[in-house]
Amino acid sequence: AQSVSQHNHHVILSEAASLELGCNYSYGGTVNLFWYVQYPGQHLQLLLKYFSGDPLVKGIKGFEAEFIKSKFSFNLRKPSVQWSDTAEYFCAVMEGTYKYIFGTGTRLKVLA
Amino acid sequence: DAGVIQSPRHEVTEMGQEVTLRCKPISGHNSLFWYRQTMMRGLELLIYFNNNVPIDDSGMPEDRFSAKMPNASFSTLKIQPSEPRDSAVYFCASSLTPSNPQFFGPGTRLTVL
Repeated sequence: AQSVSQHNHHVILSEAASLELGCNYSYGGTVNLFWYVQYPGQHLQLLLKYFSGDPLVKGIKGFEAEFIKSKFSFNLRKPSVQWSDTAEYFCAVMEGTYKYIFGTGTRLKVLA
Repeated sequence: DAGVIQSPRHEVTEMGQEVTLRCKPISGHNSLFWYRQTMMRGLELLIYFNNNVPIDDSGMPEDRFSAKMPNASFSTLKIQPSEPRDSAVYFCASSLTPSNPQFFGPGTRLTVL
């Protein structure tokens, strides 16, 4: 079965710092990949998705992610974080035609 | 759009009581998912419905858990009897089709004393 690893469990950054959160999945083939964000006390919101095509995917709020097939990775990036980006970030891979396998999440704290 | 609606947002109950969680998916979405989120296990898929029919309930922890979708706009997740280890946040999500991105509701935070 597919699995997803998010190696950074907690990240603390100052405002304006650059962000990169790692995400690796366990096996290849055709994959659909997602990043979701969960702000404190709120529900999960879709940041961006990759189904096919350009491996560099741009999402909302200035986030982007790069799909690197050879590394089984889908890392999330943002060039300059803001205090409002404080949240938990989840990477997910679709297994089969509907089942999402989520990573354990990365808690990001941005210091003002 | 209203998004996925869940109720109640918080539920505190005592061990042994029946708990019913409710979900209204986004109109027009034919796929509905129930997830459980805990610190220990993260986000786990409990059950998936397509066109109101349960397709995959392999994630339902045990017989105390049951889910129904009587129509396209309503689903329930029931726990009977509840136990302290059921304490978690339960999310409902829906998608236009099974392979489209899923949209999550605000969740129900369940505490079983």
